[in-house]
Order: sequence, then C-alpha cells, then structure tokens
Amino acid sequence: GAGVSQSPSNKVTEKGKDVELRCDPISGHTALYWYRQSLGQGLEFLIYFQGNSAPDKSGLPSDRFSAERTGGSVSTLTIQRTQQEDSAVYLCASSFQSGEATDTQYFGPGTRLTVL
Amino acid sequence: GENVEQHPSTLSVQEGDSAVIKCTYSDSASNYFPWYKQELGKGPQLIIDIRSNVGEKKDQRIAVTLNKTAKHFSLHITETQPEDSAVYFCAARLSNFGNEKLTFGTGTRLTIIP
Repeated sequence: GAGVSQSPSNKVTEKGKDVELRCDPISGHTALYWYRQSLGQGLEFLIYFQGNSAPDKSGLPSDRFSAERTGGSVSTLTIQRTQQEDSAVYLCASSFQSGEATDTQYFGPGTRLTVL
Repeated sequence: GENVEQHPSTLSVQEGDSAVIKCTYSDSASNYFPWYKQELGKGPQLIIDIRSNVGEKKDQRIAVTLNKTAKHFSLHITETQPEDSAVYFCAARLSNFGNEKLTFGTGTRLTIIP
C-alpha cells in the first residue's frame, strides 16, 4: 500500500520567508510525528500528534515553528521567518495506535529545506 | 530526558564479514528499541526492533541484542552484502501513552567493501 508521503521533496527559500511542509500519513494511522535531521546528524523529535491534537510539542525549537493536523490525516509544519540554521531534512512518520501502545513508526522520504 | 549514544560513527567491513553497531541509552524506563536503515535521499526504514521483555531477536542476517541491566543494545549483520551499505540509526522509546517520541542515536555509516 501507499506509504507516508511528503511534499515538497526539496524547498529552497530566502532567509526571513515562511515555509509550509506537508505530510500525508499512511491511511488509518492515528499517530503522526515530525522529526528534523541536520546534515550528518541523527533525527531530532519535533512534535507528535494523536488524532488532531498534539500531546507532545516539546521538540519544537522556537515559536517560529508550528504544526497542525486536520481530519486526523494530513499535517502541515510551518516555519515562520526562516533562518539559515533551519536548513535540514524534515521527516514525517506515522504509526497505528491501539490501546495504550503505538506501533512501528514508518517514515516518509523527507523534505530537504535550504534557507539561503 | 532520554539520551542515546551510538558507536562507531563509521564502519567498513569486507563483504561477507559481520558488522556490529552498539548503542547505549540513559533512561531505564525505555522499553522499545528499533533500528532504522537510511539510504541516500530516502527516509529511514525499520529493519528490526526489540522490546524490553526479550533479550535477542533475529531476522535472517540481522539480529539485535538487548542488555537491560547495562542499558545497551546492539545490531548484528552477518554475511554482509554491498546492499547493506547505508546509515544505520538506533533509537529508544519510553512507551507511555502520550509520550511516544523516538530518541535517536547519531548514526553509523556502514560501508561494505566488495
């Protein structure tokens, strides 16, 4: 079946501009996650959605970063007034949750953001 | 919070030999440990995972071992092949409802030498 999809695959923007990154999770997956991967680094957690609510936003680096999820499906990560240090690959993952446990996180291909 | 350390950062092995990557974690309450493989330009792909109620899990040429007392877990790849070349990440998760984030190690770049 279809996996997690993200768009755009690449985004180049100028410092100070706002950007929106989109994630389409696997159909039926109730949990959705955003991570950031800087060059040569591991993945850094940003935010977790269960349905449309975000129980854990602890990884968002500043108030320039926000995310929303609508209809329990698509999510958008918005970065306002981008800075060069925001340049990274932004990865989305989704998982199925049953009871009090969540299943495997499946990752999308990521959006490579470059801030000039 | 949880902290995961991964070693080595790079690893080169001859085709057919074994590769071992090691990770340690800090939070003894973590109970789920996945390993991901990331190829260039792609998102991470789960290759194997282990939960804290078992000590070892195998899937063909791949195995993971977990030592809860020492708080470390390892990935073992046997009979390595060129297609095993990639970056491998370990991760740990404290699986309480509403706290599902994965904490990742910094990755190991594995190169298989033909």
